[in-house]
Amino acid sequence: QKEVEQDPGPLSVPEGAIVSLNCTYSNSAFQYFMWYRQYSRKGPELLMYTYSSGNKEDGRFTAQVDKSSKYISLFIRDSQPSDSATYLCAMSASISFQKLVFGTGTRLLVSP
Amino acid sequence: DGGITQSPKYLFRKEGQNVTLSCEQNLNHDAMYWYRQDPGQGLRLIYYSQIVNDFQKGDIAEGYSVSREKKESFPLTVTSAQKNPTAFYLCASSSPSGTQYFGPGTRLTVL
Repeated sequence: QKEVEQDPGPLSVPEGAIVSLNCTYSNSAFQYFMWYRQYSRKGPELLMYTYSSGNKEDGRFTAQVDKSSKYISLFIRDSQPSDSATYLCAMSASISFQKLVFGTGTRLLVSP
Repeated sequence: DGGITQSPKYLFRKEGQNVTLSCEQNLNHDAMYWYRQDPGQGLRLIYYSQIVNDFQKGDIAEGYSVSREKKESFPLTVTSAQKNPTAFYLCASSSPSGTQYFGPGTRLTVL
């Protein structure tokens, strides 16, 4: 079993929809959680960074962490065609040096 | 502009050749990383360096080598011992808060 599980998709939604992307993990030591967006043939771009449990909002994006269930989510409101990309979750147990463990990524397609 | 640059963008290797991928950052970050990305497998850590003149193996270091002679630079050599080198290679560096930032990547193809 992988340390971090993520549905590869693709997830297809119409423009304006609310998108929910999720990851589950098995290592209870993880405390730092990140979401990256990766366009085709480009490097990942950091979207959200959260520590421990709770919610964090940034514009149309909301990151949610439920450590009791070992489950993290990224919500995208009012999705746009420009949101079409692969979304990678990543997590780490340490802040001083981050050996990140990545999910495999979920491919999102937002149609106009 | 501050950031991470990788070169070349595309690289082709013949069987038995060693090739070196360049990674430079001007973010003044101490820590740097190399990842390999394959379809359906996510990012896997090859090597990392927390400080100049020091580096450690990641999860898939066999067939790769690195050096860290300058804070700004962390080149990766893919040796002929790496049997399946075709992949997308990503370099990253991290700030004191631990947040990792990625370069644009190099796509390596074995001919």
